[in-house]
Amino acid sequence: KNEVEQSPQNLTAQEGEFITINCSYSVGISALHWLQQHPGGGIVSLFMLSSGKKKHGRLIATINIQEKHSSLHITASHPRDSAVYICAVRFISNFGNEKLTFGTGTRLTIIP
Amino acid sequence: NAGVTQTPKFQVLKTGQSMTLQCAQDMNHEYMSWYRQDPGMGLRLIHYSVGAGITDQGEVPNGYNVSRSTTEDFPLRLLSAAPSQTSVYFCASSYSPVGNTIYFGEGSWLTVV
Repeated sequence: KNEVEQSPQNLTAQEGEFITINCSYSVGISALHWLQQHPGGGIVSLFMLSSGKKKHGRLIATINIQEKHSSLHITASHPRDSAVYICAVRFISNFGNEKLTFGTGTRLTIIP
Repeated sequence: NAGVTQTPKFQVLKTGQSMTLQCAQDMNHEYMSWYRQDPGMGLRLIHYSVGAGITDQGEVPNGYNVSRSTTEDFPLRLLSAAPSQTSVYFCASSYSPVGNTIYFGEGSWLTVV
């Protein structure tokens, strides 16, 4: 069964802390997306990965294809990083069937 | 460049009523999709389109209808609203289904009473 699991479900941290959010999936994938959903509901795409590592500002995303695992890191966290972070994957078994499977999200709260 | 424009933002419907959620993008994207988001669940695909005139069902298509007459527009129709369709709906578009940034609309909060 094609599944995506995120951990933790909820994370509260102090401003300045290093944050790690994890995403694991069950079978081979061709692409993985990290998304950010703001408290008002809007969803923004952060990264698309198929291998290796990407960095944008204080955000770093990594993926380990062999271990079927991706992490999203936030350095020097700030209250404005408070949001729900969502992992979404395209399973190889869905090739030609253009669908993404989404995790349930990690709710991050950064306390000043 | 407005991105993905989705309307209305909020709507209350009575059971049995029909309505259309509008979605438009100005980025010339071929791939557009509709998702619903329910508490405790990941986004679920309702319908998607890989280009004008081409649509296909997603994971939860029942009770919904779509059409894609132009590249820009991808409306979602609720044929006869049911309380189970109370949800937050998101329209999304991308240049291709897999290898590109996905752009989302702001969401539509729908309540069926």
